[in-house]
Amino acid sequence: AQSVTQPDIHITVSEGASLELRCNYSYGATPYLFWYVQSPGQGLQLLLKYFSGDTLVQGIKGFEAEFKRSQSSFNLRKPSVHWSDAAEYFCAVGATGGSEKLVFGKGTKLTVNP
Amino acid sequence: NAGVTQTPKFRVLKTGQSMTLLCAQDMNHEYMYWYRQDPGMGLRLIHYSVGEGTTAKGEVPDGYNVSRLKKQNFLLGLESAAPSQTSVYFCASYPSGLAGGNEQFFGPGTRLTVL
Repeated sequence: AQSVTQPDIHITVSEGASLELRCNYSYGATPYLFWYVQSPGQGLQLLLKYFSGDTLVQGIKGFEAEFKRSQSSFNLRKPSVHWSDAAEYFCAVGATGGSEKLVFGKGTKLTVNP
Repeated sequence: NAGVTQTPKFRVLKTGQSMTLLCAQDMNHEYMYWYRQDPGMGLRLIHYSVGEGTTAKGEVPDGYNVSRLKKQNFLLGLESAAPSQTSVYFCASYPSGLAGGNEQFFGPGTRLTVL
C-alpha cells in the first residue's frame, strides 16, 4: 500500500525567502504525485502534479517540484515566498489499477513572517 | 458548470442523530470520493465509487455508509453520529483513472460538529 510522509509539521519563513517543503512517498510502481494547497477555511487547490517525463514540474503561483525516484521524494519549492503563500500544503500519491485513490500526507503548515 | 458542490456547508448534530451529506458534480465524472480532514491527520479516505451503482470502503469507513444511485451524486450517511465524527468532510471526483493524467476536483467541504 502506498504512503506519504511530510516530515515537517510546521515551517516558518520570512517573506522573500526561498522555500522547500519535503515529501517522501512509498509506492511499488511509478507514482502519480500531487501537491495541493489549502488556505484557512478553504478547500484544496492543485498546485502541480507529476505523472511521467520531466522530473522537474512547474505549477501555479510560482511553485515547482522535483521528482527523485532514487530518494522517493517529491519536494515542493518556491524561490521567493509571498505573504499570501501562508497556508497548509499537502503532498499526495495516487494508486492506479482500480480505486485510483489518493493517499495524502499529514500536511505542512507554512507561516510567512513579514 | 458548478464543478463539485457539497450540501450542507455546516451542520451541528447531537450524538445519535443521523444525517446525509450530498456531493454533486456536473462534469460527468466516473470516480467520486469522500474524505475527512482532521487537524494533523491530512485527508483520509472514507468511501469511494468508481461508477454509478458502485461503492467501496476506504481507509476509515466505520460509522459511515454511502450510495451512488445517480452518476452525478454521491451521498455520505451517518446513521448514529458520534463526537469522533466531528470533522471537515470533502468530496472529490475525476473523470477516469490516474493514467489519463487526471486530477481530483474537490468540493468546498462540509464542517460537521457532533455534540
